[in-house]
Amino acid sequence: NAGVMQNPRHLVRRRGQEARLRCSPMKGHSHVYWYRQLPEEGLKFMVYLQKENIIDESGMPKERFSAEFPKEGPSILRIQQVVRGDSAAYFCASSPPREVKGNEQFFGPGTRLTVL
Amino acid sequence: RKEVEQDPGPFNVPEGATVAFNCTYSNSASQSFFWYRQDCRKEPKLLMSVYSSGNEDGRFTAQLNRASQYISLLIRDSKLSDSATYLCVGGQGNTPLVFGKGTRLSVIA
Repeated sequence: NAGVMQNPRHLVRRRGQEARLRCSPMKGHSHVYWYRQLPEEGLKFMVYLQKENIIDESGMPKERFSAEFPKEGPSILRIQQVVRGDSAAYFCASSPPREVKGNEQFFGPGTRLTVL
Repeated sequence: RKEVEQDPGPFNVPEGATVAFNCTYSNSASQSFFWYRQDCRKEPKLLMSVYSSGNEDGRFTAQLNRASQYISLLIRDSKLSDSATYLCVGGQGNTPLVFGKGTRLSVIA
């Protein structure tokens, strides 16, 4: 059973460009979470999705950031018109349906975004 | 208001020592608690869940005190490979987890 997969692992963008980060949850997991970690900081929740639904986006900036988890394919975190402050590690986590187990979340290796 | 608070450390301990971390949480509705371990520039990895009755996994013991709203992690016979940042985490159902900033542990030979 493959773990949570994220790509790319490293992404370099110039200011004003778009960044697309992809996450494939573990097999059998229907909940996806995106977190951001700034250097020397803790993990901050951004958005929680299930297939075709955004459940909680309270941690996501209202401008330039969007997320989706389509019926087919990976979850996508999209950052438009990136700025230097967007440079961070972006982690995706997934968890099984609640009725299977509690909400243990398993993390992907992260995407390190660098904005020049 | 910080929902999960931890002493950032660093804790510098010799090999073989016993070390304990505490963590407090402010949301009394939190139902699930975990300790994650994060190595430098890596993803957090689940170390263990924390149950009210306490639970042990080898050299690691976790305790939950709901009345005082704190969680602890005890590591016995520390190994060099235990050096990492330990994240205290609280959650409720399938809602997003709330992470503490982590406690840094360095085990020294």
